Amino acid sequence: AQSVAQPEDQVNVAEGNPLTVKCTYSVSGNPYLFWYVQYPNRGLQFLLKYITGDNLVKGSYGFEAEFNKSQTSFHLKKPSALVSDSALYFCAVRDGGTGRRALTFGSGTRLQVQP
Amino acid sequence: EPEVTQTPSHQVTQMGQEVILRCVPISNHLYFYWYRQILGQKVEFLVSFYNNEISEKSEIFDDQFSVERPDGSNFTLKIRSTKLEDSAMYFCASSLAGGDSDTQYFGPGTRLTVL
Repeated sequence: AQSVAQPEDQVNVAEGNPLTVKCTYSVSGNPYLFWYVQYPNRGLQFLLKYITGDNLVKGSYGFEAEFNKSQTSFHLKKPSALVSDSALYFCAVRDGGTGRRALTFGSGTRLQVQP
Repeated sequence: EPEVTQTPSHQVTQMGQEVILRCVPISNHLYFYWYRQILGQKVEFLVSFYNNEISEKSEIFDDQFSVERPDGSNFTLKIRSTKLEDSAMYFCASSLAGGDSDTQYFGPGTRLTVL
């Protein structure tokens, strides 16, 4: 079975400060990891993914995430937060190499960036 | 940029009625998915569809649910006899070829309210 934990329901950060949204996962095989963002009344927008290779993955809108196998984590980061980054962020995992395509999502973290 | 579209954005129905939720996946994508999110809960996988058949489904996807690709562009989710607990946001997604590293792109969702 695969699972994702996002331990923080909400993260508050001041504009211009770095932000981190945490995610830990559990899979039996190779983890394929994804971050999605949801703005109000919008669908889930893909931000970035880790499949293999460099542990630091760069994505859309200046976001990046670091894959840490020993800690089974895939935290989302941005060096300088913008007010427009305020949204709901979801981490998701697939068990790579199994042929199964179902994504398992975390419960989401609401990011609030204050001006 | 191509997007997944879904109609309607909001559907209200009476318990026991049949509903059909519609999706237009990204045009050159071959794998299609439905997920749902009950208010305040995680996004959950329902079903994936490829080459005109279901390739994977979750325990949630029981006999009251069915999917169809009635023509070259639409992908539908039918709920035969809706229950109160079917009230949720339903997301359609598509991916290019279903390869291990494929990204699933999501539509804006249909909010289903069962009264």
